[in-house]
Amino acid sequence: DGGITQSPKYLFRKEGQNVTLSCEQNLNHDAMYWYRQDPGQGLRLIYYSQIVNDFQKGDIAEGYSVSREKKESFPLTVTSAQKNQTSFYLCASSIDQGRYNEQFFGPGTRLTVL
Amino acid sequence: AQSVAQPEDQVNVAEGNPLTVKCTYSVSGNPYLFWYVQYPNRGLQFLLKYITGDNLVKGSYGFEAEFNKSQTSFHLKKPSALVSDSALYFCAVRDARGSQGNLIFGKGTKLSVKP
Repeated sequence: DGGITQSPKYLFRKEGQNVTLSCEQNLNHDAMYWYRQDPGQGLRLIYYSQIVNDFQKGDIAEGYSVSREKKESFPLTVTSAQKNQTSFYLCASSIDQGRYNEQFFGPGTRLTVL
Repeated sequence: AQSVAQPEDQVNVAEGNPLTVKCTYSVSGNPYLFWYVQYPNRGLQFLLKYITGDNLVKGSYGFEAEFNKSQTSFHLKKPSALVSDSALYFCAVRDARGSQGNLIFGKGTKLSVKP
């Protein structure tokens, strides 16, 4: 998990509340990603960013938003949280968006929507 | 469209025996292939990748993977399993064509190594 921090480790929110998940990296990586992981479904891409002030939707962006104001930070906001957004959220980074570059992952944040 | 399949939800191996975790893929062009490992309640750790060249790729913790283009497979192997290898393993693929394209992950295979 080295170089990428996610906080907090556990989050609990009521339905309808907004919540922001933090992701910070000190690897000097240009590209950053947000995934959610659910049992039996692998990892699904929510948003990604190739450079500062730029980001694109992934496969399941609805209900989420991001910002990339600094190279080191890529926070994810869950907008009006729903129970089906209860999941394990993983942030990752890579040196750039080059196809052969591996991604490095943070330790994850487990969000429970009550 | 690119895709990756891990046909086994779980693999059980006795400690000291060889292990194989299977992965097959589908891409339009040449593939870039990756293996990651995840321990409980942790993020994913990169194990190894295939970009080009030798079909046998060596990675971290004694793992290796064999790229087979004709069978579109990239199975993860280790000659002698350890109890500490018990974890969730993910295969991922990316199409080498073009300049964009995201990493596609399989659904994961749970490896259980018994003493």
